[in-house]
Amino acid sequence: DAGVTQSPTHLIKTRGQQVTLRCSPKSGHDTVSWYQQALGQGPQFIFQYYEEEERQRGNFPDRFSGHQFPNYSSELNVNALLLGDSALYLCASRGSATNEKLFFGSGTQLSVL
Amino acid sequence: AQSVTQLGSHVSVSEGALVLLRCNYSSSVPPYLFWYVQYPNQGLQLLLKYTTGATLVKGINGFEAEFKKSETSFHLTKPSAHMSDAAEYFCAVSGRSATNKLIFGTGTLLAVQP
Repeated sequence: DAGVTQSPTHLIKTRGQQVTLRCSPKSGHDTVSWYQQALGQGPQFIFQYYEEEERQRGNFPDRFSGHQFPNYSSELNVNALLLGDSALYLCASRGSATNEKLFFGSGTQLSVL
Repeated sequence: AQSVTQLGSHVSVSEGALVLLRCNYSSSVPPYLFWYVQYPNQGLQLLLKYTTGATLVKGINGFEAEFKKSETSFHLTKPSAHMSDAAEYFCAVSGRSATNKLIFGTGTLLAVQP
């Protein structure tokens, strides 16, 4: 049983470009969250998707958007990239029942030059 | 609002010594508390979590943590460090809902000396 898978593993973009990151949740999971982990920092919550809708959002600008598909997979889109967007982007999934464990993927390392 | 403070960004111990990683939280509601470990180039792995009930929580790899409401603390301990414990450790807090986001601390990098 594959866990949470993310693609690509590494990505290099230039300022002003747009990027799309992808996440496939663990089998049986229907809730997907995205986190940004800057170098030397803890992960920060971006948003959470359930039933193809954004359910919660952290303190991130509208340049950050997402989508969840009927198969529960998810995308994170970032427009007008800034140097400060360079970070490890982590996807996490869980089932929707209370107290279910959150499983994290290995992340996508985004470098903005 | 919720927040987590991890005291000590770097901790170094000798192999076989006690590991103590400190975490204090702030929460306006009864919290859920977590410890995660992150090895290089990997995602986060849950070590243990406190939700309700027994305040001493045992996790994987011999780690445990004690929820102390009076001290707003959730320190992580392991009696005897192994070389394989070298990693970054994150404390996190959330509200008591399945959909609540995790608020992470800034992490503590644990080095284990032979």
